[in-house]
Amino acid sequence: GQQLNQSPQSMFIQEGEDVSMNCTSSSIFNTWLWYKQDPGEGPVLLIALYKAGELTSNGRLTAQFGITRKDSFLNISASIPSDVGIYFCAGLFGGGSQGNLIFGKGTKLSVKP
Amino acid sequence: KAGVTQTPRYLIKTRGQQVTLSCSPISGHRSVSWYQQTPGQGLQFLFEYFSETQRNKGNFPGRFSGRQFSNSRSEMNVSTLELGDSALYLCASSAQETQYFGPGTRLLVL
Repeated sequence: GQQLNQSPQSMFIQEGEDVSMNCTSSSIFNTWLWYKQDPGEGPVLLIALYKAGELTSNGRLTAQFGITRKDSFLNISASIPSDVGIYFCAGLFGGGSQGNLIFGKGTKLSVKP
Repeated sequence: KAGVTQTPRYLIKTRGQQVTLSCSPISGHRSVSWYQQTPGQGLQFLFEYFSETQRNKGNFPGRFSGRQFSNSRSEMNVSTLELGDSALYLCASSAQETQYFGPGTRLLVL
């Protein structure tokens, strides 16, 4: 079945540094979603991408939908302590049913002040 | 608009018991999906309901069931609880292709 490979699994960075994480798959997706999850809370949607090649920003966050539709990346610029959390990518394949939404295993981000 | 709400937030049960979790989607959203999240397995899809009908189902045993009401609110039931059912259960609602998650219900089975 479809699988998403999200990397890196974890990152330890200094405050102010830029962060980059990505998701790849052998399958083609129609939509890419990036979420952030804080401990004990549900994932919060950061960015949604709907078209191949699309580049979208949300404040210090930028995400791109790969041209091949098999990958996506998320960049965080000038990280701050509140960026700490787990970031998930999710890819939607096929159409309609949310059962076709596949999640990566997450990237755990730690920021040292 | 109010976000997705889930009740209760925390629950402790013992093996063999059953549990019902509730989810109220964002107003106007007709699709509700349920996920189980554990440290080892990550986010795993349980099922999706749309207009009171189960539209898709993940690979979970029949002990896991759900339903959706005419106001789009959804409930998830787990019968004969096992220790391995301890997890964060997340509900997500969507109008089109984007899912919005609730805060989750943390279930601990002792």
